[in-house]
Amino acid sequence: QVQLQESGPGLVKPSQTLSLTCSVSGGSIDNSDYYWSWIRQSPGKGLEWIGFLYYSGSTSYYNPSLDGRVVISGDTSTNQLSLRLSSLTAADTAVYFCAREFYGVEAISGVDTASYWGQGILVTVSS
Amino acid sequence: DIQMTQSPSSVSASVGDRITITCRASEGISNYLAWFQQKPGTAPKSLIFGASNLQSGVPSRFSGSGSGTEFTLTITSLQREDFGTYYCHQYNSYPFTFGGGTKVEMK
Repeated sequence: QVQLQESGPGLVKPSQTLSLTCSVSGGSIDNSDYYWSWIRQSPGKGLEWIGFLYYSGSTSYYNPSLDGRVVISGDTSTNQLSLRLSSLTAADTAVYFCAREFYGVEAISGVDTASYWGQGILVTVSS
Repeated sequence: DIQMTQSPSSVSASVGDRITITCRASEGISNYLAWFQQKPGTAPKSLIFGASNLQSGVPSRFSGSGSGTEFTLTITSLQREDFGTYYCHQYNSYPFTFGGGTKVEMK
């Protein structure tokens, strides 16, 4: 069973950089069948996709709405995913989730299509 | 960005009811669409991928359909554990986007 667990500070100051880690067990982040994503949800609001890392090929894509402030990286030696978000403002206050996504449209023999998410971590940006 | 518009934004229903949630994309996304269910304080749970493929372990009362710009999620015979908020999610074009959510509440 794949499990993901986010960790990091719960409170950061405006203008600082947020660093979050997602520890993955039950599956390798360099498996080419999957994409490793970060998604956030502002309090009482909907979901915003931040970006993903596709480790086979080390491809990443970020949501342009974040104005180049985001970097997603992975460490295969520890099987962890990281998110760095700089120049924080109050608008970045949200629950941050990491997720393993299949992103296919059809079942593939031997491939688990399930989407696995961490429990999420609330990050508050405030002085 | 592709805008995903869900309707209704909320629905009040009873156990045993059939409900349908619609998701419209601002441009064609083929069948690169997933549906998620979220309950308060928990992470979203994937129900459907590829517009109509049920994830393993998801009850068969859930079904998805559609292609292009219009999609539906149907729950036949609503159960108590189905109450929560449902989101559609397109993964055809960057940046990937989510619908605004449909809250399914008990009547």
